[in-house]
Amino acid sequence: AQKVTQAQTEISVVEKEDVTLDCVYETRDTTYYLFWYKQPPSGELVFLIRRNSFDEQNEISGRYSWNFQKSTSSFNFTITASQVVDSAVYFCALSEAHTGGFKTIFGAGTRLFVKA
Amino acid sequence: ETGVTQTPRHLVMGMTNKKSLKCEQHLGHNAMYWYKQSAKKPLELMFVYSLEERVENNSVPSRFSPECPNSSHLFLHLHTLQPEDSALYLCASSGQPDSPTGELFFGEGSRLTVL
Repeated sequence: AQKVTQAQTEISVVEKEDVTLDCVYETRDTTYYLFWYKQPPSGELVFLIRRNSFDEQNEISGRYSWNFQKSTSSFNFTITASQVVDSAVYFCALSEAHTGGFKTIFGAGTRLFVKA
Repeated sequence: ETGVTQTPRHLVMGMTNKKSLKCEQHLGHNAMYWYKQSAKKPLELMFVYSLEERVENNSVPSRFSPECPNSSHLFLHLHTLQPEDSALYLCASSGQPDSPTGELFFGEGSRLTVL
């Protein structure tokens, strides 16, 4: 069965601190896709990144970076030099090749507070 | 026009009322979804429509009734709801209904309160 665990319910940091959001997943598929979404106070989830199971290369996009490690089934997200605008709920998600795009499973989310 | 638009943004209804939530997507996508987001619970997939046909129904109570008249519009009809149905209802669309690689595009949600 597929499962996504975000153990950190809430994280509070001061502006300019680095912060890492953890994501651990479970799947029996060899082909799967991992996602991160951001949910600001306005409500809509915004897609941040997708990573497929065959690509363990880490990715950096501005202040955001992602560390995918199949050996530990983790797909962690780091924000460098956090800003107040980063305050949001962040969701990690998983979809499997055999179920197609219809069953994206989300973690419970991590609420990030960035204080000025 | 934003990509995915949901109306109303806020709705308060009694348990005997009938109301509908509306979702419209302007992205040319072929699949649309309803998700339920309750406090302290993961996002729950409720319904999936691909090319206007329902392809997924995750054991949702019959008091929730979806309708997809075309690939751009999705409704969620509500009747005789319970207070525990109070939640944020999120609509999403994707351009690749048969592929697990497609990211979801979400609306801002309809905040429902059942009294």
